[in-house]
Parts: sequence; C-alpha cells; structure tokens
Amino acid sequence: QKEVEQNSGPLSVPEGAIASLNCTYSDRGSQSFFWYRQYSGKSPELIMFIYSNGDKEDGRFTAQLNKASQYVSLLIRDSQPSDSATYLCAVTATTDSWGKLQFGAGTQVVVTP
Amino acid sequence: ETGVTQTPRHLVMGMTNKKSLKCEQHLGHNAMYWYKQSAKKPLELMFVYSLEERVENNSVPSRFSPECPNSSHLFLHLHTLQPEDSALYLCASSQLTDNYGYTFGSGTRLTVV
Repeated sequence: QKEVEQNSGPLSVPEGAIASLNCTYSDRGSQSFFWYRQYSGKSPELIMFIYSNGDKEDGRFTAQLNKASQYVSLLIRDSQPSDSATYLCAVTATTDSWGKLQFGAGTQVVVTP
Repeated sequence: ETGVTQTPRHLVMGMTNKKSLKCEQHLGHNAMYWYKQSAKKPLELMFVYSLEERVENNSVPSRFSPECPNSSHLFLHLHTLQPEDSALYLCASSQLTDNYGYTFGSGTRLTVV
C-alpha cells in the first residue's frame, strides 16, 4: 500500500496557465509537508514546505494543506517552460524522530510554449 | 564548497567490484541519509544517521554498507552488487530541530554491469 500517492502524469500545461498537482498521504500523524522539484538527471530541490492547514504562497507557487482530508496540493501560476520537471511530494513519518521523509513517486509536469 | 557534495557523479561497476560513494555536507546539519531512486518509483530510504549514529537500516541488503565517520561525511560502500541495484543514489542532510526538510546532494548514477 502506497503511503504517499501522486498522479504520475505527465501533466501537460500551456505556458502561462496554472498547473495543479495533488498528493494524498496515509499517515494521519504527519505534521510537515514538502514539495520538491526534480529536473531530469538532477537531484530534488526543495521549493515549498507547509505545516498548517490552509494556503501558503511563495512567488508563483502556492501550497495547500487539508489534514482532515490528508491532502496536500501545489499550484504553479503563470507556468513557464522552466517549470517542466517532476514534482515530488514528501511528508514526515511519525514513527520516529529522525526527520524521515516519505516520498511520492512524483508528477511529471510539461509546460508547452 | 557549499551544500551537499556527492562523488562520483557517475559510476559503472562490475558485479564483483568494490566501490564507495562519498557524501559531504557543509551545512552543519546533524542528520544524514542515503536514498535510492529507481525509475518511476518513489525514493527509497536506505539508511539514516543522526549525530553519527546509525538510527535506521531499512532492510537493505548487506552488499550495501554505510559509514559515517563524523557529522559531515557519509559513505556507502558497495560490493558484489546486482544489475537491479543500478539507480540514482542520493545523499541528503537535515537539521532535526529545524524541520525544514532535506538538502540533497547531486546524486551518483550507478550502473552495475
């Protein structure tokens, strides 16, 4: 059973449009949620983190968290070709205190000019 | 040097070889991690070190042997690997008290022939 689920995509988004990525998780005790961007052949880089229910905005990115529904999403506004990448959702595990993150398999986003 | 540095970037090894992957973090973090990333699969946690002590060994085969001589350095010793071990191996570090997620190294692309 997958613990962090994401649609694998590819999610095709016209340039300038909004990309909407979704992630669900199974561990009700998870407290911290992260979005990483991974370009092909590169390592993941952190773009957003969110701890509280609601929205958090950072530039063109907005993370949304609903702990009751065990759902976290990422919106990318005014999508650019440089946003074409795989986006990984990660949540903290609550079974230990070693900062362990559980990752989804990622959603591939393709922004078309 | 800044961030998390991994060497080598690429490695091709035969099944009878012995090699080591190296990771160094320059962030003053107190936890380090080894992850395996295979195509279309979530990142798989292999090992966790907190303050140089191994705190998690995620049922990894003994042909993978980690070493953490100090809080800045982490090694992954490899021997008698199998072709299915070919993957991207990622090192990451974090500061457990901050809960700001991981900083990843650039990864080592390993091919076992």
